Amino acid sequence: EAGVVQSPRYKIIEKKQPVAFWCNPISGHNTLYWYRQNLGQGPELLIRYENEEAVDDSQLPKDRFSAERLKGVDSTLKIQPAELGDSAVYLCASSSSPAGASYNEQFFGPGTRLTVL
Amino acid sequence: GNSVTQMEGPVTLSEEAFLTINCTYTATGYPSLFWYVQYPGEGLQLLLKATKADDKGSNKGFEATYRKETTSFHLEKGSVQVSDSAVYFCALSGGNNRLAFGKGNQVVVIP
Repeated sequence: EAGVVQSPRYKIIEKKQPVAFWCNPISGHNTLYWYRQNLGQGPELLIRYENEEAVDDSQLPKDRFSAERLKGVDSTLKIQPAELGDSAVYLCASSSSPAGASYNEQFFGPGTRLTVL
Repeated sequence: GNSVTQMEGPVTLSEEAFLTINCTYTATGYPSLFWYVQYPGEGLQLLLKATKADDKGSNKGFEATYRKETTSFHLEKGSVQVSDSAVYFCALSGGNNRLAFGKGNQVVVIP
């Protein structure tokens, strides 16, 4: 079974430029997460989708970040315009939602390493 | 809010040595606790978990016990191998599927 797929793996851009990251979750997983991981830190949640609905986006800086999950499968995270402080690894994760489960294991992709110059 | 604190700094040890990585947490209610591992060039993987007090999670020779009285979830392995070299993250979930991670500890095992 294929894992969570992310692209690109690396991206280098100049500040003020736009950038987009793509994620394909594990087949059948209806919950999708975007995290940001700064150097030397643990991941921090940006947004969580249940199917195509964003149910937790309180940590997403909405002035420059946007995300979408059309048809409840693939997702795109966009930054426009990028700032120097946006340099980080952007992780996508997915999980299923079995009935009665106390916790749904999240499966992570390899991440996209963004460098803003 | 929920938070996780891991011991500072990388951990370097020799093969077959005993490994301990400390993790303490702050949370309301009764969170679930996790250890994730990130091998070089790979994504985060769930290593083990515990969902209630006194539960012991175990996998691949690693163990951690959910200690509510000390709000801790320390990771241990009795005899590490070079292949255990990775970054280890402690995390908790407060029931809304939002994971709060610690900063992580890089473990380097020397042959």
